Amino acid sequence: AQKVTQAQTEISVVEKEDVTLDCVYETRDTTYYLFWYKQPPSGELVFLIRRNSFDEQNEISGRYSWNFQKSTSSFNFTITASQVVDSAVYFCALRSSGNTGKLIFGQGTTLQVKP
Amino acid sequence: NAGVTQTPKFRVLKTGQSMTLLCAQDMNHEYMYWYRQDPGMGLRLIHYSVGEGTTAKGEVPDGYNVSRLKKQNFLLGLESAAPSQTSVYFCASRGYEGTQYFGPGTRLLVL
Repeated sequence: AQKVTQAQTEISVVEKEDVTLDCVYETRDTTYYLFWYKQPPSGELVFLIRRNSFDEQNEISGRYSWNFQKSTSSFNFTITASQVVDSAVYFCALRSSGNTGKLIFGQGTTLQVKP
Repeated sequence: NAGVTQTPKFRVLKTGQSMTLLCAQDMNHEYMYWYRQDPGMGLRLIHYSVGEGTTAKGEVPDGYNVSRLKKQNFLLGLESAAPSQTSVYFCASRGYEGTQYFGPGTRLLVL
């Protein structure tokens, strides 16, 4: 079975704090893709990053960084020096095997950044 | 380049009424998807299409029908709306390495 778990339902931080959002996945596939999406209060789903299972290099994009570890089946997301505009629901997702290609989403983590 | 668009943005229906949600993409993607998002349930796949003229059921297809007559459009129909179909509906199309690009969503309220 394939599954994505985001154990943190809600996180609240003060602006400029660093925050890490956890994502643990389950899959038996040897080839798979992982994603992070952001859903701000306006409601749209914004693609942030894609990572394939062949590449365990961590990635940094501005204040955002991602730590992919196959050994622990985790794909964690860190925001450095958080800002109020980072307040959103963040979803981790796994691309399922087979022809469907559907995304299996975690339940999401609501991040509130207070000024 | 609009990406993925959805109409309408918001709709209120009475139980038993029907409606069609329209999704359009301009990225020439083959795969398209309809999801619903409910509090505490995450996003669940309703139906999907792997190309023009094809459709298939997802996890929660009951009460919905879809059509993909043109590659760029994917329609989701509710034949007889029920309060349980109150939700936010997202359409997506699939690009490189399975990345899905989502429309802005349609908020549906069934009374």
